[in-house]
Amino acid sequence: AQSVTQLDSHVSVSEGTPVLLRCNYSSSYSPSLFWYVQHPNKGLQLLLKYTSAATLVKGINGFEAEFKKSETSFHLTKPSAHMSDAAEYFCVVTPSGSARQLTFGSGTQLTVLP
Amino acid sequence: DSGVTQTPKHLITATGQRVTLRCSPRSGDLSVYWYQQSLDQGLQFLIQYYNGEERAKGNILERFSAQQFPDLHSELNLSSLELGDSALYFCASSPEVGNTEAFFGQGTRLTVV
Repeated sequence: AQSVTQLDSHVSVSEGTPVLLRCNYSSSYSPSLFWYVQHPNKGLQLLLKYTSAATLVKGINGFEAEFKKSETSFHLTKPSAHMSDAAEYFCVVTPSGSARQLTFGSGTQLTVLP
Repeated sequence: DSGVTQTPKHLITATGQRVTLRCSPRSGDLSVYWYQQSLDQGLQFLIQYYNGEERAKGNILERFSAQQFPDLHSELNLSSLELGDSALYFCASSPEVGNTEAFFGQGTRLTVV
């Protein structure tokens, strides 16, 4: 069984300040982990993925995430928020090597204040 | 643009009716996945097809069914619709079973009135 917990349903930051979106996971297998972003009225876009290579993963638009097995966490960060980052972010887990069924977290709504 | 095309973008229909949602995967992708996004349940996996065959089933109701055709496009059929079926339905595709990167379409917003 696998699950994902996104610890904050809403996060507000000021433009130019750091972003931290928290995600904890549970998986019976060595998981693959992803962050997806959903802008209003848009589909889901892959930001970055972890598939058992480097634990620090760099994604698009300046985002990165660190896989910490001991803490079962995969937090998403960005050094400096931009207004265009305002969106909903989903942490996703899937067991590696199996028929893929992505398990989504409940989402974190990021608001960027001017 | 992910390369995954879903039609229609919006659909409004009455309770008890039946609708068909269509998905064209990225060129070359053999796997198609359907997901439902609703306010109360979040994003949930419904079903996966690989090269025309059903591969995995998630929380898909018996009133719902899907298929993948020889040209690899897929359809999700929803019947005896209820108000609670109102949701955003996403299709995703990936090259093969086990490849863990999915590319999502923009979704079909279904409203049941």
